[in-house]
Amino acid sequence: AQSVTQPDIHITVSEGASLELRCNYSYGATPYLFWYVQSPGQGLQLLLKYFSGDTLVQGIKGFEAEFKRSQSSFNLRKPSVHWSDAAEYFCAVVLTGNTGKLIFGQGTTLQVKP
Amino acid sequence: NAGVMQNPRHLVRRRGQEARLRCSPMKGHSHVYWYRQLPEEGLKFMVYLQKENIIDESGMPKERFSAEFPKEGPSILRIQQVVRGDSAAYFCASSSGRQETQYFGPGTRLLVL
Repeated sequence: AQSVTQPDIHITVSEGASLELRCNYSYGATPYLFWYVQSPGQGLQLLLKYFSGDTLVQGIKGFEAEFKRSQSSFNLRKPSVHWSDAAEYFCAVVLTGNTGKLIFGQGTTLQVKP
Repeated sequence: NAGVMQNPRHLVRRRGQEARLRCSPMKGHSHVYWYRQLPEEGLKFMVYLQKENIIDESGMPKERFSAEFPKEGPSILRIQQVVRGDSAAYFCASSSGRQETQYFGPGTRLLVL
């Protein structure tokens, strides 16, 4: 079935440690790819996006993501996590040629230990 | 440049009442998407509108839910005869084009008693 999968529901890392959040999609063609972050009680903020071109994408707040076509993945990374990064992270896709609606993964909740 | 605005931020309704959620897109954006986030779940697409037109309502429940985006004024998501299962956060996003980046509002948290 077509889907967006974030295998990790919860992740806990220590402040200053590196972070990788996984995202896989299962669609025939390469979709447009996004990462959003949601703090408790807030809306979603766009971290970064991939439409085409360079497969390593830089975003805000020191985040980056790498698109790997062979693995149908778009993993989010940060070299050194800050306590303020604790939030819920959503991977999403837009199917090319579609109406532009976002299809979201289930989300990964990030907890940061001091 | 104001972002996407939604009001109210919190809405409490009793079963059987109507809920009206408003969304004002970013300046210059004429495309609006509505999403619903049920407790402990991700966001699910509901409806996509351009000014005065519903483009894609494939995610809307068949009954009680409707949406509009008039020529003037905000987009409205209307839920008639609310039930407890409608309790959720409803997010609006706007974009400048069909497959352009969507920017989200802060959401409306609906609680049905």
